[in-house]
Amino acid sequence: GAVVSQHPSRVICKSGTSVKIECRSLDFQATTMFWYRQFPKQSLMLMATSNEGSKATYEQGVEKDKFLINHASLTLSTLTVTSAHPEDSSFYICSARELGTSGARGQETQYFGPGTRLLVL
Amino acid sequence: KQEVTQIPAALSVPEGENLVLNCSFTDSAIYNLQWFRQDPGKGLTSLLLIQSSQREQTSGRLNASLDKSSGRSTLYIAASQPGDSATYLCAVKTSYDKVIFGPGTSLSVIP
Repeated sequence: GAVVSQHPSRVICKSGTSVKIECRSLDFQATTMFWYRQFPKQSLMLMATSNEGSKATYEQGVEKDKFLINHASLTLSTLTVTSAHPEDSSFYICSARELGTSGARGQETQYFGPGTRLLVL
Repeated sequence: KQEVTQIPAALSVPEGENLVLNCSFTDSAIYNLQWFRQDPGKGLTSLLLIQSSQREQTSGRLNASLDKSSGRSTLYIAASQPGDSATYLCAVKTSYDKVIFGPGTSLSVIP
């Protein structure tokens, strides 16, 4: 099956620094990638939809200037948490939808990455 | 607005028991429903994907059903094993790009 990787898997940083998380589709091309956040003992919440070559679409309540998303190629999307604070500590997971998958519109599968655990001290 | 709930929030069973996890969603207009497993501190493992036109999917000891009209899905796990201990998440795809996750059921299988 399709594989999505994330790097790093775990990061600890000081408050005020910026952290970049990479999401890669390893064996397929993805025009669209999604970024989710999961706080402890809570479910995943969609943060933004990342489209290759265009600006990301952010969900309500997600600060686009704080969570910078770049989808520069069909296999890579990055999420940068700028000026991170302890409340940004969370588990960040990306997913990717394969380009040109067969089947009816809307039935394409999203493949999820393994997640990145961010701890801001 | 689509809302996804899962019952129970936590479940503890002895090894070998069959069990059912429940997922409910408020809007029946979905593209598909997917069940995931998440181990502590880890990412998601996709277990079963049911398209909106399907009623159930099976993989090994797992069977997932979907009743769109009533907004319900169940995940049946047969002959549970300690290795099945994890959090199980259901997620519905409500539009071309939107996936809504439930809060999860934390399963503990006691040896």
